[in-house]
Amino acid sequence: GENVEQHPSTLSVQEGDSAVIKCTYSDSASNYFPWYKQELGKRPQLIIDIRSNVGEKKDQRIAVTLNKTAKHFSLHITETQPEDSAVYFCAASIPRGSGYSTLTFGKGTMLLVSP
Amino acid sequence: DGGITQSPKYLFRKEGQNVTLSCEQNLNHDAMYWYRQDPGQGLRLIYYSQIVNDFQKGDIAEGYSVSREKKESFPLTVTSAQKNPTAFYLCASSPRTLGGNTIYFGEGSWLTVV
Repeated sequence: GENVEQHPSTLSVQEGDSAVIKCTYSDSASNYFPWYKQELGKRPQLIIDIRSNVGEKKDQRIAVTLNKTAKHFSLHITETQPEDSAVYFCAASIPRGSGYSTLTFGKGTMLLVSP
Repeated sequence: DGGITQSPKYLFRKEGQNVTLSCEQNLNHDAMYWYRQDPGQGLRLIYYSQIVNDFQKGDIAEGYSVSREKKESFPLTVTSAQKNPTAFYLCASSPRTLGGNTIYFGEGSWLTVV
């Protein structure tokens, strides 16, 4: 079945540095790639997403890039702040047949931003 | 995503007992989902539903059951056949089965088997 690999599993940076999280997927039919942020004990919340017809998308300090040929996409956070500390999940839409699709998630990256 | 309500937030179950987790949404979303989260494992799909009276198994459906009798409701039953049920359970919904639509999560239910 579909597999979404996410790296690194943990990432420690100093405040103000940039952070990059990378994901790969295996199903070439995937066409939607969201990123979620989950703070301790809370629900995952969407922070940015990208569709297969776009190579890059930015929203203030956050950007996502997609390389469909290589089947990988990345999250970039610039000027990191302590409140960016959380677990980040990538996901890819997976066709399920009969017109259905669902999201398969990576295992997450714990980002720690030190003041 | 404030329109998805899960209950209870915390639940303790004895081994051998079934337990049902409630999920209600008022977002008028067609599709609903149940995910399980374990430390270091990410989110894994248990069941999903596109429309009322229809649902499909996800990647880890064994030991679970669901129903979709109303558009707003998608309860999950964790049966005694689920060998390792202690986990954080997340219900989610989206405007339609994904072909590029965002899913929104409820606040989750913590299930502990004692």
